[in-house]
Amino acid sequence: AQKITQTQPGMFVQEKEAVTLDCTYDTSDQSYGLFWYKQPSSGEMIFLIYQGSYDEQNATEGRYSLNFQKARKSANLVISASQLGDSAMYFCAMREGLVNSGYALNFGKGTSLLVTP
Amino acid sequence: DTGVSQDPRHKITKRGQNVTFRCDPISEHNRLYWYRQTLGQGPEFLTYFQNEAQLEKSRLLSDRFSAERPKGSFSTLEIQRTEQGDSAMYLCASSLRGPVGDGEQFFGPGTRLTVL
Repeated sequence: AQKITQTQPGMFVQEKEAVTLDCTYDTSDQSYGLFWYKQPSSGEMIFLIYQGSYDEQNATEGRYSLNFQKARKSANLVISASQLGDSAMYFCAMREGLVNSGYALNFGKGTSLLVTP
Repeated sequence: DTGVSQDPRHKITKRGQNVTFRCDPISEHNRLYWYRQTLGQGPEFLTYFQNEAQLEKSRLLSDRFSAERPKGSFSTLEIQRTEQGDSAMYLCASSLRGPVGDGEQFFGPGTRLTVL
């Protein structure tokens, strides 16, 4: 079963506007972490933001914020004031288990974001 | 440059040949991960090391795949008798396990393998 679901294969947003990329997850663990990565056409995965399952506040990193709704099992990424350089693939990922485990990341299929002038 | 590096960046080979990829993690990172990414998909976990010990292997890692991390520094991923289905981007990531758990994983630029 898919652990991470990203339902938007592609999204468009105009420069300077905000955009929300959806992510829902499936786990029975109480302790887990949620990540967002950006993958430009060059291929490198760039870490954007992290939310722990026990964090009460939504994570923020500059123009990125994570809208964490635990009961709904969703972890949407909000990009404010979009820039042309934000055009890329965006992946949501989850790490399950205890915080001191070495578990790998489970990734969704990604959302392709295109920022237009 | 203090990031994760991978070599080569691109590899084209004929079916049946063996290939080996190298990953150099961030120097102080004790955990190293290998992922495979096919077109239109997110990365899929293959295996990971803590220092020199290989602690977990995915079912995706068939007998033709072997990974090593001698001395807990760089790692190699070898694919023997390559098949066309092995064509993918192979990504390496590293992280630092600290007193409060695993930090975020930093990824390298990947090695794109094409099997003809």
